[in-house]
Amino acid sequence: GAVVSQHPSRVICKSGTSVKIECRSLDFQATTMFWYRQFPKQSLMLMATSNEGSKATYEQGVEKDKFLINHASLTLSTLTVTSAHPEDSSFYICSASAASYEQYFGPGTRLTVT
Amino acid sequence: QKEVEQDPGPLSVPEGAIVSLNCTYSNSAFQYFMWYRQYSRKGPELLMYTYSSGNKEDGRFTAQVDKSSKYISLFIRDSQPSDSATYLCAVSTQGGSEKLVFGKGTKLTVNP
Repeated sequence: GAVVSQHPSRVICKSGTSVKIECRSLDFQATTMFWYRQFPKQSLMLMATSNEGSKATYEQGVEKDKFLINHASLTLSTLTVTSAHPEDSSFYICSASAASYEQYFGPGTRLTVT
Repeated sequence: QKEVEQDPGPLSVPEGAIVSLNCTYSNSAFQYFMWYRQYSRKGPELLMYTYSSGNKEDGRFTAQVDKSSKYISLFIRDSQPSDSATYLCAVSTQGGSEKLVFGKGTKLTVNP
């Protein structure tokens, strides 16, 4: 199957700083990428959908100025958590789709804000 | 009412048992149904994908969809310790490559 990578896999940052998470589709071109957040013992919650070259579409309740998404190429999307706070600590997972019936998920990034 | 309801378990079974995992959904606009497996601290992996009522079989896994009652199931036959993971159901209105709504996930442990 297709491979999606995320970097970093784990990050610890201080409150008030910004963190960037990269999502790459390694062996296919992703027309659409999705960003999810998963709290412990909770389901994946979609944060936003991004198409290459377009502005991301955010789900209700997700602050677009806090979670900046850039999808500059068909193989790379980035999520920047700005002015992070402890309540932003979570597992962030991206997925990528090439207009097939499947989304391919990355391994996730665990963010801890101290 | 949540869009997708799934019993989080945990569910513990002996090796070789038949496992039944279930979800219900509330919106009849959902037409595509998926089951994902997620190991601890990893991203989800697609197991089964269906879009019609009935059964779909793949090896030891069978996905069942009943659109009339908005009920989806995943059966695992001859369960193995390597099947121990969290199983997530997901639904979509436009296909598996579009926006997905996930259930909470059921944590399964298969004991040797």
